[in-house]
Amino acid sequence: KAGVTQTPRYLIKTRGQQVTLSCSPISGHRSVSWYQQTPGQGLQFLFEYFSETQRNKGNFPGRFSGRQFSNSRSEMNVSTLELGDSALYLCASSITGGSPLHFGNGTRLTVT
Amino acid sequence: GENVEQHPSTLSVQEGDSAVIKCTYSDSASNYFPWYKQELGKRPQLIIDIRSNVGEKKDQRIAVTLNKTAKHFSLHITETQPEDSAVYFCAVSTTSGTYKYIFGTGTRLKVLA
Repeated sequence: KAGVTQTPRYLIKTRGQQVTLSCSPISGHRSVSWYQQTPGQGLQFLFEYFSETQRNKGNFPGRFSGRQFSNSRSEMNVSTLELGDSALYLCASSITGGSPLHFGNGTRLTVT
Repeated sequence: GENVEQHPSTLSVQEGDSAVIKCTYSDSASNYFPWYKQELGKRPQLIIDIRSNVGEKKDQRIAVTLNKTAKHFSLHITETQPEDSAVYFCAVSTTSGTYKYIFGTGTRLKVLA
């Protein structure tokens, strides 16, 4: 079974731009969640989707948004990028919410 | 809000010794407690988990203990090996309701040969 796939692996953007990250979950997994990982801050929860519905959202500004499609694939969008948005963005899928997470390799975003 | 504290932030042990990492949480509704290992440049991977109806779980050299009354759980690694060197994250979640994972800030474990 293929694992969680995130694209692209690396992104370099300029302040003020916007970016879209993509995540394809493991086949059969309907829950997709996103995390921001920065040194010293661990993994910060962004949001979780299940059957195209956002069920929970972390404490991030409205510039961070996401969606899930009918095939469970998910996208995350960050608008008006700031330097502090530079991080590794990890996507994880699970069969349902609260079941073991399977992470993708992440997208490393650098904002200059 | 929900909070997970993880200690220590770094831990160095001699090969063959044991390592213990502890996490405390605040939300009494939490009922699922996984541990993830992240090697340098790689994705976090689940190494062991425990649910609230169990006090201890073992898998070869790895064990997790849970004290729901005190709201803390610990990862125990025995007979450490160099390949155990990584960052370890604890997490808490609920299997219903919020479906939200809260992670600890991580412990960098170094196993010295």
